[in-house]
Amino acid sequence: DAGITQSPRYKITETGRQVTLMCHQTWSHSYMFWYRQDLGHGLRLIYYSAAADITDKGEVPDGYVVSRSKTENFPLTLESATRSQTSVYFCATSLSYEQYFGPGTRLTVT
Amino acid sequence: QQQVKQSPQSLIVQKGGISIINCAYENTAFDYFPWYQQFPGKGPALLIAIRPDVSEKKEGRFTISFNKSAKQFSLHIMDSQPGDSATYFCAAREGTSGTYKYIFGTGTRLKVLA
Repeated sequence: DAGITQSPRYKITETGRQVTLMCHQTWSHSYMFWYRQDLGHGLRLIYYSAAADITDKGEVPDGYVVSRSKTENFPLTLESATRSQTSVYFCATSLSYEQYFGPGTRLTVT
Repeated sequence: QQQVKQSPQSLIVQKGGISIINCAYENTAFDYFPWYQQFPGKGPALLIAIRPDVSEKKEGRFTISFNKSAKQFSLHIMDSQPGDSATYFCAAREGTSGTYKYIFGTGTRLKVLA
């Protein structure tokens, strides 16, 4: 049982390029979340989804796009990557109260 | 605007000592307060959680103390061990209009000396 997987685990991209981070879950949890983790800021919510086709902005949504056509997948797209988007990105799921995190994707924008 | 304020940023404790991390919040609509533990290179993992109708919850060496009137909650790690060295995050769940999301503190890096 894989739980939550994120791909790629590491990514280096150039400023201005589009990049998509993938998140897949095997539990069929209704909620999925995207966070970015930066030193001194903790975990900041980018977008979240209560169910397929339902998404909402979090604290820092600018420059990001999400979609959720299937319950198990929640991709995060950086439409035109900027250096300020260099970060570690975590996907998480939740059924009710407990939240489960994936292993993270370390993204570097040069 | 930081809705969950966590302190201290870092903490060094001797083996066998008590580690205490504090969080404060403003939003009285928060209905669930979890603590997460994160090791380097890994995602955060739920450690222990409490709901606002309970003042204390204990699981092994980990205890959450919750003060609803002061809008504060804290994590106590008894008999701290080197294996507890990690980053700890407090969080709060906010539910509005039938959906919910989590707000995290900025984290505390704990180092337990052998």
